[in-house]
Amino acid sequence: GQQLNQSPQSMFIQEGEDVSMNCTSSSIFNTWLWYKQDPGEGPVLLIALYKAGELTSNGRLTAQFGITRKDSFLNISASIPSDVGIYFCAGHNAGGTSYGKLTFGQGTILTVHP
Amino acid sequence: NAGVTQTPKFQVLKTGQSMTLQCAQDMNHNSMYWYRQDPGMGLRLIYYSASEGTTDKGEVPNGYNVSRLNKREFSLRLESAAPSQTSVYFCASILLGDNEQFFGPGTRLTVL
Repeated sequence: GQQLNQSPQSMFIQEGEDVSMNCTSSSIFNTWLWYKQDPGEGPVLLIALYKAGELTSNGRLTAQFGITRKDSFLNISASIPSDVGIYFCAGHNAGGTSYGKLTFGQGTILTVHP
Repeated sequence: NAGVTQTPKFQVLKTGQSMTLQCAQDMNHNSMYWYRQDPGMGLRLIYYSASEGTTDKGEVPNGYNVSRLNKREFSLRLESAAPSQTSVYFCASILLGDNEQFFGPGTRLTVL
């Protein structure tokens, strides 16, 4: 099935460092989503992007919807220990026969050392 | 609002045993989904239900069956569990036309 390529697979950083991760697809999406999964929990939506070129912030998180509609980026500034978890990108094409289905990347495991 | 709830949270099965994972949502969402999560594989769609009364296969449906019991509930059944089905299973739901899928807390299943 269709897959998104998410990188890096894992990151080990010091508290206070900035983090960047990205997602690429072979096909276009009209919505990009970024989820975070805390250990032992289900994923929770962080940011949703709806327009090519859009740059959206949520606190220390900033995400961008790529111009080609085939990629997206997530940046976390000044990381803190509670940023630990798995970050997933997801692509969505609303309407038609999509029935709300999302296509997920493989995830980026983030570890933050105090 | 409880959101999306899943039972059980943990389960250990022997090969060949059967079980049903339960999922319920109280957000009046139309569509519901079952995923499995394995290390390095992300979230893979097993089955989904676009609306009450319909179900369709996702990316990895083999070895599973589902039932959309009503608008609130969507169950996943393993008829004859295999070690390859050891995984974390997530249920999710969405309001059609919306973009955010809401996830349950997951069921951690081990098949020995």
